[in-house]
Parts: sequence; C-alpha cells; structure tokens
Amino acid sequence: GENVEQHPSTLSVQEGDSAVIKCTYSDSASNYFPWYKQELGKRPQLIIDIRSNVGEKKDQRIAVTLNKTAKHFSLHITETQPEDSAVYFCAASRNSGYALNFGKGTSLLVTP
Amino acid sequence: ETGVTQTPRHLVMGMTNKKSLKCEQHLGHNAMYWYKQSAKKPLELMFVYNFKEQTENNSVPSRFSPECPNSSHLFLHLHTLQPEDSALYLCASSPSTESYGYTFGSGTRLTVV
Repeated sequence: GENVEQHPSTLSVQEGDSAVIKCTYSDSASNYFPWYKQELGKRPQLIIDIRSNVGEKKDQRIAVTLNKTAKHFSLHITETQPEDSAVYFCAASRNSGYALNFGKGTSLLVTP
Repeated sequence: ETGVTQTPRHLVMGMTNKKSLKCEQHLGHNAMYWYKQSAKKPLELMFVYNFKEQTENNSVPSRFSPECPNSSHLFLHLHTLQPEDSALYLCASSPSTESYGYTFGSGTRLTVV
C-alpha cells in the first residue's frame, strides 16, 4: 500500500519568514495530493491540493509543488503569521476508489 | 458547522464496556470514513464506506465494528477495547470514493481505562 513520509515533524519560524514542509510517497500510481491544517482541538481542514497533471499550485500565501519523478511534494507558506501555527498533514491517493493515506504531520509554530 | 457531526465529543470507557461512536453528515456525500488519530502517528484509515457498502477494512481488530445504515450515518461500535485504543477517532465524508474533498468531523476523544 501507499506509504507517505513527512518532514520535519516540528518546525518553528519567526513571523514573516517562510515555512516549507516536505512529503514523499511510495506508490507511483498516486495522483492526488492534498494538504490539511489541524488547529489545536479542531478538525483537519483542507487548505490546498494538487493533482499529478500540474507541477505547482498557488493560493495566496500557500503553494504546493509536485515532483512526480522523484515522488515528492512540498507545502510552502510565505509571510507566515501566528495564526498559521497548527499541525499540517500531507496525504496521497490513487485515482478513484482509494482512500487518502496521510503523513505523520508537522507541528508548525510561528512566533511573533 | 462543517456538516459532519460526531458524537460524543469525549468518551471514557472501561475495557469491558460496549459503546458506540456516531457520525452524521448533511452534505449529501456518499462516501464515509473512519480514521484513528494517535499522538505522533499518521492518521490511520480504519474503514471506508461507499454508497453504504464497506469497501475497505484496513486490518482493524474485530473489537471495532462499523455500521453504515445509510449514506448519512456511520457508527463505530466498540467492545472490549485496550488502553492502546485511546485516541481521537475522526469521521470524514466525501462525495464518493471517486472524488475527493474530505470533510472531517470534530472527532471523538476516546480514553480506555
């Protein structure tokens, strides 16, 4: 089955700096890669996703890049703010009929 | 409210008890999922239902028993659990297993004593 590795497990940055979280996956048939944000005591929420037919996707301060050859994808957050502090999970899945497989999560702390 | 409601929010049970977790979605989705979230571990997929049919059982011990009476409701029946089963149990739904965009519930924080 799919194995998703996520690094780092914790990340601390100063407000205004950029944060990068990286994930690798094992199943070359995977073609959908979402990122979820989970604030303390709250449910995971989808923040951005990318499919294998594109290499990069941006949404304001958040971007995701995908390298299908190397089987890795990354989340980039620019101009970080304290409210970005949360646990971020990457996930991967094949096309239809398969559920999401998640990484272990990255605890991001943005200090003022 | 995101449309996926889980009850109870917190549950403490003894190892000999029987309890059930409930998940309800009002989004018109046809796929529902149970995930287990333990500290420092990935979200672990437990069960998948698509149009009320179980399509995936991820080698989950038989002390966890799912039930999906219709596309809007999903239950997880618990019996003779172990302390290591203590975790946050998250329910999610999506339009179907062939389309994504999971919506998660708030979870049930389970403690087995």
